[in-house]
Amino acid sequence: DAKTTQPNSMESNEEEPVHLPCNHSTISGTDYIHWYRQLPSQGPEYVIHGLTSNVNNRMASLAIAEDRKSSTLILHRATLRDAAVYYCILRDVQYGNKLVFGAGTILRVKS
Amino acid sequence: DAGVIQSPRHEVTEMGQEVTLRCKPISGHDYLFWYRQTMMRGLELLIYFNNNVPIDDSGMPEDRFSAKMPNASFSTLKIQPSEPRDSAVYFCASSLALPQPQHFGDGTRLSIL
Repeated sequence: DAKTTQPNSMESNEEEPVHLPCNHSTISGTDYIHWYRQLPSQGPEYVIHGLTSNVNNRMASLAIAEDRKSSTLILHRATLRDAAVYYCILRDVQYGNKLVFGAGTILRVKS
Repeated sequence: DAGVIQSPRHEVTEMGQEVTLRCKPISGHDYLFWYRQTMMRGLELLIYFNNNVPIDDSGMPEDRFSAKMPNASFSTLKIQPSEPRDSAVYFCASSLALPQPQHFGDGTRLSIL
């Protein structure tokens, strides 16, 4: 499985945008970039995914670098409820439908 | 819509006892996954099924662990005999085909004394 690198932790102020980076320099052409988050005492929750183009949904935006070696999850206005561990995961459809979780980024949101 | 339902939410039992964790996936999802989460090892995939057939069980730690999916709406993860090092939160997830997202249950917090 291709690896991703994320900062251990980040801090944000409430109501401000948050940019969570992810490096994946060994990404293959068939790897999808997935983001999940895990709130305290809950199971992981899907946030967004993309392949080559930037993606938007009601939760967040995903900006993918042109060479696909990095991506950024953007929370447009952080709330206290967004405090969680955010996981950036590569999924290759050729190698099965599984998620390989790394350590993720702990996001703290200050009021 | 009902999400993935796991039971029990908490289980405390003594070493050596058999433990059975249960999962009901989202209706229509043909993939089912079992994960384990510990502080030391993070979230690990144990096994996953497609159309009730085990596809990849390379994450199952040892023979004490077994998982079954007798039909499309039910799966079990069994530990026999249980050991203290099996204490963890066990998550079940389900999904449609790739690259659709996985939907996780709330987990079962297992403590083996």
